[in-house]
Amino acid sequence: EIVLTQSPGTLSLSPGERATLSCRASQSVSSSSLAWYQQKPGQAPSLLIFGASSRATGIPDRFSGSGSGTDFTLTISRLEPEDFAVYYCQQYGSSPQTFGQGTNVEIK
Amino acid sequence: EVQLLESGGGLVQPGGSLRLSCAASGFTFSSYAMSWVRQAPGKGLDWVSAISAAGSTTYHAVSVRGRFTTSRDNSKNTLYLQMNSLRSEDTAVYFCAKAGEYSVYDKLDYWGQGTLVTVSS
Repeated sequence: EIVLTQSPGTLSLSPGERATLSCRASQSVSSSSLAWYQQKPGQAPSLLIFGASSRATGIPDRFSGSGSGTDFTLTISRLEPEDFAVYYCQQYGSSPQTFGQGTNVEIK
Repeated sequence: EVQLLESGGGLVQPGGSLRLSCAASGFTFSSYAMSWVRQAPGKGLDWVSAISAAGSTTYHAVSVRGRFTTSRDNSKNTLYLQMNSLRSEDTAVYFCAKAGEYSVYDKLDYWGQGTLVTVSS
């Protein structure tokens, strides 16, 4: 099983600042089969990024993903008020599929 | 518009059974793999299972293998999760999610709102 470790656990930032979230895999993620999801309180997760760097439909370009192998990054260039949420990475290239434990991006 | 509507959650005693359903609409259900993902109260996401578009292949997390069974009825556009021998640690909101293609090895591009399963005496 591929274990995904996200850091930091909590990121305290102000609107307009840049957020950098990390996701590290215990072994190489095949074919960059890595996704990022956003979850707001009381809501289902929603897809942001897939294939490590492709934005899902309707996702603004302030969200970008990068990385390969075992190290992946989600960057939010300028935080908007609606971006404060929990973010999860997921690898879907091998079974069992696994999620990271999440990074909470909170308002400073 | 893609819609996924889970049902069947509720309170069940340890050792009991429950069957969850996920009614899909707005897309060609038989063309896409589907998954179940759960979230315990205040915790992160936990992948439970996946099933191929035709229903011929299923995968389950080690924690539920032998107790949970995933199936689908493509004629009814419905995904199922049969949960037996339930434990307190199975308490969670259960989400169904649509994969981006026929294979289970794909991102989850649409999610339902979830149904709460509580295992308690």
